[in-house]
Amino acid sequence: QVQLVQSGAELKKPGASVKISCKASGYNFITYYIHWVRRAPGQGLEWMGIINPSGSTATYAQKFQGRVTMTTDTSTSTVNLELSSLRSEDTAVYYCARWTYYFDLWGQGTLVTVSS
Amino acid sequence: AIQMTQSPSFLSASVGDRVTINCRASEGIRSNLGWYRQKPGKAPELLIYAASTLHSGVPSRFSGSGSGADFTLTISSLQPEDFATYYCLQDYDYPWTFGQGTKVEVK
Repeated sequence: QVQLVQSGAELKKPGASVKISCKASGYNFITYYIHWVRRAPGQGLEWMGIINPSGSTATYAQKFQGRVTMTTDTSTSTVNLELSSLRSEDTAVYYCARWTYYFDLWGQGTLVTVSS
Repeated sequence: AIQMTQSPSFLSASVGDRVTINCRASEGIRSNLGWYRQKPGKAPELLIYAASTLHSGVPSRFSGSGSGADFTLTISSLQPEDFATYYCLQDYDYPWTFGQGTKVEVK
């Protein structure tokens, strides 16, 4: 079955880091770029960045530069998103999505709550 | 960064209504625009890509038009499952940017 399955919800304190995983199955993992998108409560969708699973090269939105790292593990067909120096404004549902001229496959979303 | 101005932000409509949502880019993006629908608690789902191409399996009541900087999503006859939030997305240049969203509510 072609799918992206994300790791579970996280509760973090301000200043901490979070790492979310996105495991691909049912297709050739290195063929499609993966993006990360988030949606904060009451807000719209926000593009965070893109990673090429075959070469692990990534491009990040400037807003997150210095705080975000996207990595891949081809042995497990997994893409990871790490966000550091968390603040309350980072509370959101984070999605990974596969790109093939459009977002055709999404993970189920991972809720990250940042609260003291 | 390219800004996507989506309008309206909210829209009240009834089943069977014709609905139009607009997106304007701050600079030309050719036809590098997609439309997505997001239902509460769910991931977004693709409706239209390349500004006017209907994604496989998406009902024909959805259509997209435009190129350059001005784009439109039209729902010809609103159905109960269409009460949701809609977003445009430009994939012309990094950082990719979404419109602010249009929430379609029951009148």
